[in-house]
Amino acid sequence: AQSVAQPEDQVNVAEGNPLTVKCTYSVSGNPYLFWYVQYPNRGLQFLLKYITGDNLVKGSYGFEAEFNKSQTSFHLKKPSALVSDSALYFCAVRDNDMRFGAGTRLTVKP
Amino acid sequence: KAGVTQTPRYLIKTRGQQVTLSCSPISGHRSVSWYQQTPGQGLQFLFEYFSETQRNKGNFPGRFSGRQFSNSRSEMNVSTLELGDSALYLCASSPRRTSGGQTGETQYFGPGTRLLVL
Repeated sequence: AQSVAQPEDQVNVAEGNPLTVKCTYSVSGNPYLFWYVQYPNRGLQFLLKYITGDNLVKGSYGFEAEFNKSQTSFHLKKPSALVSDSALYFCAVRDNDMRFGAGTRLTVKP
Repeated sequence: KAGVTQTPRYLIKTRGQQVTLSCSPISGHRSVSWYQQTPGQGLQFLFEYFSETQRNKGNFPGRFSGRQFSNSRSEMNVSTLELGDSALYLCASSPRRTSGGQTGETQYFGPGTRLLVL
């Protein structure tokens, strides 16, 4: 079965610094990978997805993710973090249904 | 377009009661999926409805059920509530089916219904 893992429960970065939220995957066949963000008392907001094509995927709010087949990773990145980026981030893989990682709480400090 | 809407936003019930949650998808979306989010288990897939038919179901007991209407609106019902059913229930919509195989369809989520069972 397909699965994703988010190895870090918490990531702390200073405002203006680059941020990376890690995700590794385990799939058979073509991977369909997604990133979502959840703000307090809100549902999940779609950021970006990888289906096929370019390994660097650009998404909403300046986020991007790099698909790396050899390392089975799909890390989320942003060149310059904002305090407003502080939220819970989920990586997901589409299998028979959507499988989500446990989530990574990103805190951006001023 | 208006986003996915869920009602009610908050709900308090007692053990043994039953509850019905409602979800209105984005206009034109025909697929509605439901998820349960808890601190311990994370996000778990409940079921997907497409064209008024349940297309896929997650590993939940039969107390959890749902339906979809001809206008694609969906309801989820939980009978004989247990303390462990306390959770945020999220609904997501997409134009086409998303489960039953690997697809790149994007799901758009509503704000959720927070259910507390006492």
